[in-house]
Amino acid sequence: NAGVTQTPKFRILKIGQSMTLQCTQDMNHNYMYWYRQDPGMGLKLIYYSVGAGITDKGEVPNGYNVSRSTTEDFPLRLELAAPSQTSVYFCASSYTGTSSYNSPLHFGNGTRLTVT
Amino acid sequence: QQQVKQSPQSLIVQKGGIPIINCAYENTAFDYFPWYQQFPGKGPALLIAIRPDVSEKKEGRFTISFNKSAKQFSLHIMDSQPGDSATYFCAASPTGRRALTFGSGTRLQVQP
Repeated sequence: NAGVTQTPKFRILKIGQSMTLQCTQDMNHNYMYWYRQDPGMGLKLIYYSVGAGITDKGEVPNGYNVSRSTTEDFPLRLELAAPSQTSVYFCASSYTGTSSYNSPLHFGNGTRLTVT
Repeated sequence: QQQVKQSPQSLIVQKGGIPIINCAYENTAFDYFPWYQQFPGKGPALLIAIRPDVSEKKEGRFTISFNKSAKQFSLHIMDSQPGDSATYFCAASPTGRRALTFGSGTRLQVQP
C-alpha cells in the first residue's frame, strides 16, 4: 500500500499566486487532516474532514480552502499566496478520530512550499 | 487551554545515553497522549502512546512516564542509538475531539 501520498514535494510560488496541494490515501480512512509545520512551532491543524462532503476548520484556516468529494482525496487550496504561508504542509489520515491508540495518524511525506 | 508545552527544543546525547523530553498540558479533558517520531524529509509516525489511567508505558527502549497530578508526561529513550536521531513531538487529545494538539517538537541528536 502507498499510504498517504502528497504532491508536489516542493513548490515555489510568487505572492498572489494560487495552487492546490494534492493528497490521496489508499487505506479507506474516513478522517483526513491538513497540518502545517513551522520551525519551533510544531504542527498546526489547518482543516480536517470526517468523511466525504464534510470539512471543518482547524486552528489556522485563514488563507486556505479544502474540499472532500471522495474518501481518498483531500486537496488543500491556497488562493492568494502570502509569505506567511511558507511552510511544510503535511496531509494525514486516520481510520477513526485520533483519540485512539488503534487509530493513529498516518502522515504523508510533506510538501515544502516557499512563497516569495 | 489547548496548548501542549514541550521542552527542550533540541537535545544532544552520546550513544547509550538516556535523553528525556518533557511535555506539560493545562486542559484536564485531555485523555490520550501519543508521541510521534519524525525523520528528515518524512512525515511524523506514531511511536508510543499512553492514557492517564497508567503512570508508565514501555515499548522496547522507549518509555512514557505520566504524572496526572502535575499534568506532565515525558519520553525516555534507553540506550539511545544514532538511528534514534529525529524530531520528537508530544501530543494530546480529549475524548471525542477529532484532532491532536501537538507540542513544538524536540530535535534529538545521538552522537556515535
